[in-house]
Amino acid sequence: KQEVTQIPAALSVPEGENLVLNCSFTDSAIYNLQWFRQDPGKGLTSLLLIQSSQREQTSGRLNASLDKSSGRSTLYIAASQPGDSATYLCAAEPLYDFSGYSTLTFGKGTMLLVSP
Amino acid sequence: GAVVSQHPSRVICKSGTSVKIECRSLDFQATTMFWYRQFPKQSLMLMATSNEGSKATYEQGVEKDKFLINHASLTLSTLTVTSAHPEDSSFYICSARDARGNYGYTFGSGTRLTVV
Repeated sequence: KQEVTQIPAALSVPEGENLVLNCSFTDSAIYNLQWFRQDPGKGLTSLLLIQSSQREQTSGRLNASLDKSSGRSTLYIAASQPGDSATYLCAAEPLYDFSGYSTLTFGKGTMLLVSP
Repeated sequence: GAVVSQHPSRVICKSGTSVKIECRSLDFQATTMFWYRQFPKQSLMLMATSNEGSKATYEQGVEKDKFLINHASLTLSTLTVTSAHPEDSSFYICSARDARGNYGYTFGSGTRLTVV
């Protein structure tokens, strides 16, 4: 059974800092690794998706890496801003099983606070 | 990109009544949709997988008679919380995947249910 762990659980940084959020997973047989952002009381917004054959993906100030062999993914946020304050979730999607569909396994998230 | 619309965003109901939550894929067809529940400061818990034209698959511990799922079309899944009680108060989120490509999962904006 896949288990996803995110470290740290909470992070508080001043504006402008570069930061790294960590995600580890126990089963390397994944199809995708997806990073989401969740604002309080809101749904999830997809930030980056890394396919199993890829090593990293970039979108603006965000860069996500994937190392399947070690079961790790990191989300790098450059020049953090107060608007980046949110909970960041990583989720692993397994390779399809016999039922034809798969479900995500989520970490518990990292709550980020960027102060002005 | 793929968009999932979820309504209502907030609902307050009396104990014993039923509440229906809708999840629509706006620009793609979704043969499978997923329903999650999220408690405060917790990660998402998968409740059930909704399959178009067939019965939903419920996760262990989720009462299928309390949480009725109907996936009558390729763009609409509904979750009905029947005979709601205060302990059913929670944040419910749906998700779907655009099978036309590997875009990962898209989530709705969530529904905050309060049972009084």
